[in-house]
Amino acid sequence: QKEVEQDPGPLSVPEGAIVSLNCTYSNSAFQYFMWYRQYSRKGPELLMYTYSSGNKEDGRFTAQVDKSSKYISLFIRDSQPSDSATYLCAMSAWRNNQLNWGAGTKLNIKP
Amino acid sequence: DTAVSQTPKYLVTQMGNDKSIKCEQNLGHDTMYWYKQDSKKFLKIMFSYNNKELIINETVPNRFSPKSPDKAHLNLHINSLELGDSAVYFCASSQQGATDNEQFFGPGTRLTVL
Repeated sequence: QKEVEQDPGPLSVPEGAIVSLNCTYSNSAFQYFMWYRQYSRKGPELLMYTYSSGNKEDGRFTAQVDKSSKYISLFIRDSQPSDSATYLCAMSAWRNNQLNWGAGTKLNIKP
Repeated sequence: DTAVSQTPKYLVTQMGNDKSIKCEQNLGHDTMYWYKQDSKKFLKIMFSYNNKELIINETVPNRFSPKSPDKAHLNLHINSLELGDSAVYFCASSQQGATDNEQFFGPGTRLTVL
């Protein structure tokens, strides 16, 4: 069993919808949580970073961490076709430790 | 300016050949990584180098050997290529002590072994 589980999708939603992307994990030591976005034929880029539990908002994006349930989410409001990409969650126990990656969810926003 | 660059972008080669992929970062970071991404998009860490010392090696076959001439470069050499080595290889870098733990990725090298 992988330490980080993420549904690979694909997930297809109409433009303007609210998107919810999720990961679950098994290692209770994880306390640094990240969401990376990867466009087709590009490298991943950091989208959101959260330490420990709670919410973090950045524009249309909200990252949520529930350590009691070992569950993290990324919400995208007013989704745009330009949000179409693969979203990967990553997490670690220590700040500069190896990242543990989810499989990535492919998201398609239909105009 | 490109932060993390890789060459070549595409590599098509025959089974059994030896090939190298080069990576350079101009961010002044002290840690560099090599990842393999398979067709299902799963990112697997292969190596990381911190100040010229190998600190992670995730049971990668010894046909793969990382070489770091200095902290701005981390090259990947692959001997006796196999069909299963076909994937996209990403180089990344980060700075120890950075508050957000961010890794910066290169554009990837798409390796196809025939």
